Parts: sequence; structure tokens; C-alpha cells
Amino acid sequence: GAGVSQSPSNKVTEKGKDVELRCDPISGHTALYWYRQSLGQGLEFLIYFQGNSAPDKSGLPSDRFSAERTGGSVSTLTIQRTQQEDSAVYLCASSLLGLDETQYFGPGTRLLVL
Amino acid sequence: AQSVTQLGSHVSVSEGALVLLRCNYSSSVPPYLFWYVQYPNQGLQLLLKYTTGATLVKGINGFEAEFKKSETSFHLTKPSAHMSDAAEYFCAVTGDNRLAFGKGNQVVVIP
Repeated sequence: GAGVSQSPSNKVTEKGKDVELRCDPISGHTALYWYRQSLGQGLEFLIYFQGNSAPDKSGLPSDRFSAERTGGSVSTLTIQRTQQEDSAVYLCASSLLGLDETQYFGPGTRLLVL
Repeated sequence: AQSVTQLGSHVSVSEGALVLLRCNYSSSVPPYLFWYVQYPNQGLQLLLKYTTGATLVKGINGFEAEFKKSETSFHLTKPSAHMSDAAEYFCAVTGDNRLAFGKGNQVVVIP
């Protein structure tokens, strides 16, 4: 595919369960970002990966959130012990080189925590 | 830290009328500025961006924006609204390894 893909598109889980969200960036893009979009909070930055550098995790809201990027490509965002306030749309974006480049967004994963 | 202000969460415009969405930014360094559009249940799509050079930037779907450093603004315009322009629009500025987004404008086009 030519664009950023994310899976699943929708996820419903029970409070306290762990969830994994996946992002496949555009091939060849070295930078990858995760954002969260929720009512009242708008679009919030979560984490930034650039090549082999240590990720910028400064946007992760708590230690229940973690992310990894394997082989410089696919990324997984994990939320442990989900809470109702984690309900949101999680968006992934990638760019060719870094911050100054256009970020291309995936369709998002809509997470609902019951 | 860099930030963006978008006023008026909901904007109604008549079909054929001018679309004007305001964006003011705060940045300690020369900014890179973006406008994205989001249609229902979709991700964000780039409308246009300003990096350096010409301050009037043209984007897709007939939109354009002008970077005004003296006013710290990057307002988005389209001369004639179309029904297909109904969507949410976000202004963003680069900084600190991320895009900082405004709260967005939900545009409603009235026939």
C-alpha cells in the first residue's frame, strides 16, 4: 500500500485489559509519530521515533503507555490496564526524514474502553 | 514550546461564500506551519504547508494560506465554499519533535 496503515480500525475492550495498536508506515520513511485524538483534548503528541535514535517519549501520559518500533518500520503502541479515559482515536503518522517533512497520517484506531 | 490557536470551533459558511479559518501561532524559532483536513472517520490529510520562501502558499482543493510573521498568523482561505469542504480543519506548527495542533475548526457548508 502507498499510505500509512493502522490496525485494528476499531477496538472495544474492558477496563483493565491490555491493548496493542499497530502502525505500518510508508516504506522508506524514517520518522514515525503517534498522536491521540479525543474530545476536549484535541490532537496530542504521544511519541516520536527517528531512525535508530532513542525515541522521544515525552508525550506518553502515563507509564501504562509504551511503544516500540521494530526494524525501523512497524510500530506497536501498547496500553496496559486500560482506563475509560484512554478511549480515543490513536493516529499514527510517518515522514520521510524528520520533523520538517510532511507527516502522512493513517486512518487511526478508534479505541473504546468500557 | 510552540503552540497554535484556532478560534471558533464551529464555522458555518454558505455554499459559494468565502471560507476563512484563522490560525495564530507561537514559536521561538522560524516556524514550519501546516493545515490539515480531516473527513469523518478518516485520518488527517495535508492541505498545504509553509516552510520557507513565498509567504502565500497554495494547496489542494482551491485552498491557500498566507504566512504573516508580523502578525504570527497563517490563516486559511478559499474563495468559494463547496459542499465537499465540510470537514474539520487543523492548523499545526512544528517544534519539540512533534506537530503542535490547534483545537480545530468544524466547517459546515450551508446549501
